Amino acid sequence: NAGVTQTPKFRVLKTGQSMTLLCAQDMNHEYMYWYRQDPGMGLRLIHYSVGEGTTAKGEVPDGYNVSRLKKQNFLLGLESAAPSQTSVYFCASSYPGTGKHEQYFGPGTRLTVT
Amino acid sequence: AQTVTQSQPEMSVQEAETVTLSCTYDTSESDYYLFWYKQPPSRQMILVIRQEAYKQQNATENRFSVNFQKAAKSFSLKISDSQLGDAAMYFCAYRRGAGAQKLVFGQGTRLTINP
Repeated sequence: NAGVTQTPKFRVLKTGQSMTLLCAQDMNHEYMYWYRQDPGMGLRLIHYSVGEGTTAKGEVPDGYNVSRLKKQNFLLGLESAAPSQTSVYFCASSYPGTGKHEQYFGPGTRLTVT
Repeated sequence: AQTVTQSQPEMSVQEAETVTLSCTYDTSESDYYLFWYKQPPSRQMILVIRQEAYKQQNATENRFSVNFQKAAKSFSLKISDSQLGDAAMYFCAYRRGAGAQKLVFGQGTRLTINP
């Protein structure tokens, strides 16, 4: 049981390049989330999904797109990377049925945009 | 909007002693949950403890306990018998109600354990 995994772990992009971050979970969770963490700050929600085929905007969605074609995967895309998107990105998932309302996090992806 | 504030950017404690990390939050909701997450240098976010707002009893998990003061909107974390492995960033987080609700995080407290 791998939990939540993220690919890649590190990436360096030039301004204007595009990339996709992959999040996968094997816990059959309904809900999935993408957060970003900037230095000295807590995590902020970018986008989230309540199920396969559905996505919604979070607190800081500009410059990002997401897709959830399969229940276990949640993709975060940057169409034209900017230096302001240099951050650590975390994926998380949760299951509404347990009543515990806790989110399980992946190990993070460190992205640098030069 | 809900906000979470951690007023201690850094704390340090001697190994085996007790330390308390502070957290306050602001919300008008009655149904919500509070969490403390630990982030070691590996970056992994690890859930330490969870508190449901409707529960009056403070949550405990082994050496970790909380002091939940609902009226004061305060949610502090006490770590007893501190160990070197407790050194990490600690984040207080809030989420409201049920469903796919976001976690709102504080700025974090860096905890150092002195041997």
